[in-house]
Order: sequence, then structure tokens, then C-alpha cells
Amino acid sequence: ETGVTQTPRHLVMGMTNKKSLKCEQHLGHNAMYWYKQSAKKPLELMFVYNFKEQTENNSVPSRFSPECPNSSHLFLHLHTLQPEDSALYLCASSQVVAGGGETQYFGPGTRLLVL
Amino acid sequence: GNSVTQMEGPVTLSEEAFLTINCTYTATGYPSLFWYVQYPGEGLQLLLKATKADDKGSNKGFEATYRKETTSFHLEKGSVQVSDSAVYFCALIGFGNEKLTFGTGTRLTIIP
Repeated sequence: ETGVTQTPRHLVMGMTNKKSLKCEQHLGHNAMYWYKQSAKKPLELMFVYNFKEQTENNSVPSRFSPECPNSSHLFLHLHTLQPEDSALYLCASSQVVAGGGETQYFGPGTRLLVL
Repeated sequence: GNSVTQMEGPVTLSEEAFLTINCTYTATGYPSLFWYVQYPGEGLQLLLKATKADDKGSNKGFEATYRKETTSFHLEKGSVQVSDSAVYFCALIGFGNEKLTFGTGTRLTIIP
């Protein structure tokens, strides 16, 4: 499955580092999402971009900064993270139409470890 | 708000056994329902979906039927294989909504 790609697949960073996660979708979709998957916790929706506009910020700390330069690319900029931010970060995309309810397709994720 | 409840795991079965993973939901209106699968070390893959009552989604031998009267979307497979070992997530999107609500996931292990 190569519809949604994410880089890097693995990332180790210190608490003072700045890094960025990249997501690219090749499905022609108009909406993109960031999710966080931590051990023993439900999947958490972080951000939603619809037609490049952020439509959802699910009370995410400001040390996570999303960027959506176009409908195919989504970034998550990271700075001064905490060890509890270690998780699998998943990107997804969908084609949002009137009435909603469209299928989201996920990338393979970036496994982040904050030391 | 919307919610999804899945049976607690982990579930361990022998190869060729029958599988059922229960999923019930709470939502207003008519949501779309999904099962996603996450293999070890990977992201989520869409397994199957159903968008209206009495629809049956199917893929790779797995099936689930959208039951509005019982607000359920149970996942079934007649004969599981070792390669089916993964975490399975039930999810829904409410009508007119773009937010996907997930269950907590059920870890399935198939032993030879």
C-alpha cells in the first residue's frame, strides 16, 4: 500500500531537538489528518486539514506544529518534546464530500522516541 | 457524542478456528462503520466497511454486517490463519462528520 507515505519511519530525538515528520498522499484526496497512537491508549486525533485549512486542533500542545502547504503534503514540526510524547504518529487522508463519512486511508506511521 | 466499544483482548485462537470480535457503537443518525487492522510494526489498513444498515462488508475472508437494530458491527472469519495475527480496530464516522472515532483495539494472536 503506497497511497499514503510517511518519513521517517523511525525517529529518535532529544528533548531540545527540532525535527519534522512528513506525510504525502498520492490518492488525490482533499483532507489530511495526524493521529497519535500511544501504548495502551486509544488512537488520538491531533489535527485535521480540509482543503489545506486546519479545521481541527484537538487540544494538542504547542510543541506540535502542523503545516499543510498543499492538499498532498502534511508536516508535523516537533520541538522541545517530552518523553511522554514517544508514540507512533499516523497520517491519514480522505476525500471529504458533502455529508462526510468518507474512508480514511493511513500511512505506515513514524515511530518516535523522545529521550 | 459518538463512541465505539470493542471486546477486550487479547484473543488467542488456534489456526482454522472461528473468529468473532464484537463491536457496538453509539452515534446519532447513520454513521459509516469500519474495521481497520494493524499488523506488527505497521500503520492501520482498512479491512472492510459498511455505509448503511444491513450492508455487509467483506475482505480477505473477514465479514461484518451493519446491524442498526443492535447498533453492532461484529467482525467474523470462518477459519483464521497465523497471518491474521494483528490488532483489529472498529471505528465509525458520523454522517456529516469527518472525525473517525475508534474503539480501543483487540489484539488477536493465532497459534499454529
